[in-house]
Amino acid sequence: GAGVSQTPSNKVTEKGKYVELRCDPISGHTALYWYRQSLGQGPEFLIYFQGTGAADDSGLPNDRFFAVRPEGSVSTLKIQRTERGDSAVYLCASSSMGLGGANVLTFGAGSRLTVL
Amino acid sequence: SQQGEEDPQALSIQEGENATMNCSYKTSINNLQWYRQNSGRGLVHLILIRSNEREKHSGRLRVTLDTSKKSSSLLITASRAADTASYFCATDGAAGNKLTFGGGTRVLVKP
Repeated sequence: GAGVSQTPSNKVTEKGKYVELRCDPISGHTALYWYRQSLGQGPEFLIYFQGTGAADDSGLPNDRFFAVRPEGSVSTLKIQRTERGDSAVYLCASSSMGLGGANVLTFGAGSRLTVL
Repeated sequence: SQQGEEDPQALSIQEGENATMNCSYKTSINNLQWYRQNSGRGLVHLILIRSNEREKHSGRLRVTLDTSKKSSSLLITASRAADTASYFCATDGAAGNKLTFGGGTRVLVKP
């Protein structure tokens, strides 16, 4: 597509529920990133994929968070047993960076998650 | 944890004035980037400076990088109301893959 698409744009859920957030990157971009942004803060790195594999998942806060990218394109961030502290905007970004190249990210508009 | 820290956290200026914000980081980098975020929107890439560069220009933007001090500055000249946004610096590590963002500078340009 022309840009990075994220759905849903807004998600309100109850504490303890399961949530999936979807990211559709720019066609042909091999790298895909997930960040979390709380109000007034900078984006916090969660995980990034190079192709289908998670190249770095060091930012995932705990085992309730999981992300997949089975075909190397669309990615889904999955949050189990949501907690109020998970409320944030979840940003997805993609990049066409090759090895040794500069990594310029194109971001989606984000999915705002509110856990009641 | 966030690698870059911006200063000031907030900045309010009149249209036509220049806006300067700074970013400090902790570890060696390959590149440093600046992004802009309008309220409620995703981040947009503004400019990238490589570790072997000292200054770069793009339109009304001027970026400097001092690797000895592990710091960068972003200057917006002749600011406009449309420049009102949050500005973030982002650095990559030795592997050049993971991009780490700072806490941002919120800029308000008053007409």
